[in-house]
Amino acid sequence: AQSVTQPDIHITVSEGASLELRCNYSYGATPYLFWYVQSPGQGLQLLLKYFSGDTLVQGIKGFEAEFKRSQSSFNLRKPSVHWSDAAEYFCAHAGAGSYQLTFGKGTKLSVIP
Amino acid sequence: DGGITQSPKYLFRKEGQNVTLSCEQNLNHDAMYWYRQDPGQGLRLIYYSQIVNDFQKGDIAEGYSVSREKKESFPLTVTSAQKNPTAFYLCASKSRDRQFGNQPQHFGDGTRLSIL
Repeated sequence: AQSVTQPDIHITVSEGASLELRCNYSYGATPYLFWYVQSPGQGLQLLLKYFSGDTLVQGIKGFEAEFKRSQSSFNLRKPSVHWSDAAEYFCAHAGAGSYQLTFGKGTKLSVIP
Repeated sequence: DGGITQSPKYLFRKEGQNVTLSCEQNLNHDAMYWYRQDPGQGLRLIYYSQIVNDFQKGDIAEGYSVSREKKESFPLTVTSAQKNPTAFYLCASKSRDRQFGNQPQHFGDGTRLSIL
């Protein structure tokens, strides 16, 4: 069965520090991978997606993610975190031709001024 | 602007009562989804619909029902059979094209349902 693991439930970083959120997936073929962000009481907003080509993808709000097939990972990074980045982040994947997304359980990011 | 509208934002249910959550999209998307979100559990799929007049159960469909009579609308009914309905409910939609898998789902702002 497909699965997505986000090992970190909660991460706290200082404003201006770098950030890396981890995501591992379980799927035989190349998956379609997504990162979403959710502010409290809101829906999910797409940050970026990967489906082929360059393994380093750029997204909105200064985020990027790198697909590493050998590690079954799709980690999200940002070089310098802003206080407004405090939110919950979800990694998700879909198989080719799949109508469904499989979500990780999320990582909550707190930012210290 | 195109998007997904969920209403109401907050909803309260009495014991034994059915309630219906609304989801409307003007993105011209064929596929629509309902998720339930509980703290620490991520998003769990309740139902999804690939096309009008067709829908499939997701992972946690018990106690819920849906209809898809129009492309734009995918209402979710939380029935009295759902014993623990308090949660945040999210509706999403997705374009259905040749490379379907790489299309992201677009989300509404959610409805928070609570038991009185």
